[in-house]
Amino acid sequence: QQQVKQSPQSLIVQKGGISIINCAYENTAFDYFPWYQQFPGKGPALLIAIRPDVSEKKEGRFTISFNKSAKQFSLHIMDSQPGDSATYFCAASMVSGTYKYIFGTGTRLKVLA
Amino acid sequence: DGGITQSPKYLFRKEGQNVTLSCEQNLNHDAMYWYRQDPGQGLRLIYYSQIVNDFQKGDIAEGYSVSREKKESFPLTVTSAQKNPTAFYLCASSPMALAKNIQYFGAGTRLSVL
Repeated sequence: QQQVKQSPQSLIVQKGGISIINCAYENTAFDYFPWYQQFPGKGPALLIAIRPDVSEKKEGRFTISFNKSAKQFSLHIMDSQPGDSATYFCAASMVSGTYKYIFGTGTRLKVLA
Repeated sequence: DGGITQSPKYLFRKEGQNVTLSCEQNLNHDAMYWYRQDPGQGLRLIYYSQIVNDFQKGDIAEGYSVSREKKESFPLTVTSAQKNPTAFYLCASSPMALAKNIQYFGAGTRLSVL
């Protein structure tokens, strides 16, 4: 019940294409869903986050789509660029309570020039 | 410059040795976390602390120990009981405010066994 399942494990996209990464969770008590971006040898950095009271959140080329009934959320990167090549992690947590994050296993994205 | 500082960037451990990884934050955050990152396994929580002088085990605490004597510091000791310590270790902190459950990460420490 505490797992967050992330797919795909790796993704190769042409420059200008759309990158889509999916996550699914079981625990309906989760109410905060962030996405992190990590470059090799660096710590993860928050990219975008969503709460379950909205179905979509957009920040620049990055969009989170959230489907509460299916317990799924996804990250869409529009007009993907080589500089977007990184590992992306989804996570889930409860804003009240322990504040712990449960992370997905990560998706390694490579955008070809 | 506000942020989370982890040191050292690289660390080597001899068999039977305890090593300590440093994590300092000047963001005035209440909560601090230690994660272990292995290829293909995402980030796994080792320990976390929400207040000075108190901390809880995460999912993989065996072979590790922590202390939280000051709000800004949360060092992690990898003990000789941790038989497979080679990994990338990440420290994070968060403000624990209801609307701000964002974790901020340091740049990590890569630990290898000699």
